[in-house]
Amino acid sequence: GENVEQHPSTLSVQEGDSAVIKCTYSDSASNYFPWYKQELGKGPQLIIDIRSNVGEKKDQRIAVTLNKTAKHFSLHITETQPEDSAVYFCAASKTDKLIFGTGTRLQVFP
Amino acid sequence: KAGVTQTPRYLIKTRGQQVTLSCSPISGHRSVSWYQQTPGQGLQFLFEYFSETQRNKGNFPGRFSGRQFSNSRSEMNVSTLELGDSALYLCASKDSTPDTQYFGPGTRLTVL
Repeated sequence: GENVEQHPSTLSVQEGDSAVIKCTYSDSASNYFPWYKQELGKGPQLIIDIRSNVGEKKDQRIAVTLNKTAKHFSLHITETQPEDSAVYFCAASKTDKLIFGTGTRLQVFP
Repeated sequence: KAGVTQTPRYLIKTRGQQVTLSCSPISGHRSVSWYQQTPGQGLQFLFEYFSETQRNKGNFPGRFSGRQFSNSRSEMNVSTLELGDSALYLCASKDSTPDTQYFGPGTRLTVL
């Protein structure tokens, strides 16, 4: 069935460093790949997304890359700040049904 | 615009009872999806409603059901609650932009 693997499960970085989270999806028909940030006690917040006709997208300190051939996509956060600390989820979709990865807990130490 | 709202935010029920959760989408959004989030299974898709019709369904038992009203507000019902139904239930709404879903804060359901 449809599956999204996400690594690493936890990530600790120093403030100012970069963080990279990687996901692999199984369904080659997937065409939409969002990333969500979830803080404690809150619902997931969309931070960036990419569609299958684009290889890379950037929004200030956040970027996402997509390799359709390898079925990989990654989230890159540069110049991390303590407020970036949260759980990050990747997802893949082809029919409005989001298949989520298992999440990455990112901790940014001052 | 106001975001997705969910009520109640917290709920405690006992096994065998039933529960109804409510979701109000972002104004103008016609699609509402429901997800269950647990530490063990992560975020799992329950179902999606569009214009009062269920358009997509996940792999959950028939005890989980939903509906959508003409104003796009949606309700989710779980009958004969089990301990394993304890979870954060999230609602997401979508506008005409393909696939982009915005989540509410969730309803934390605890089954004792």
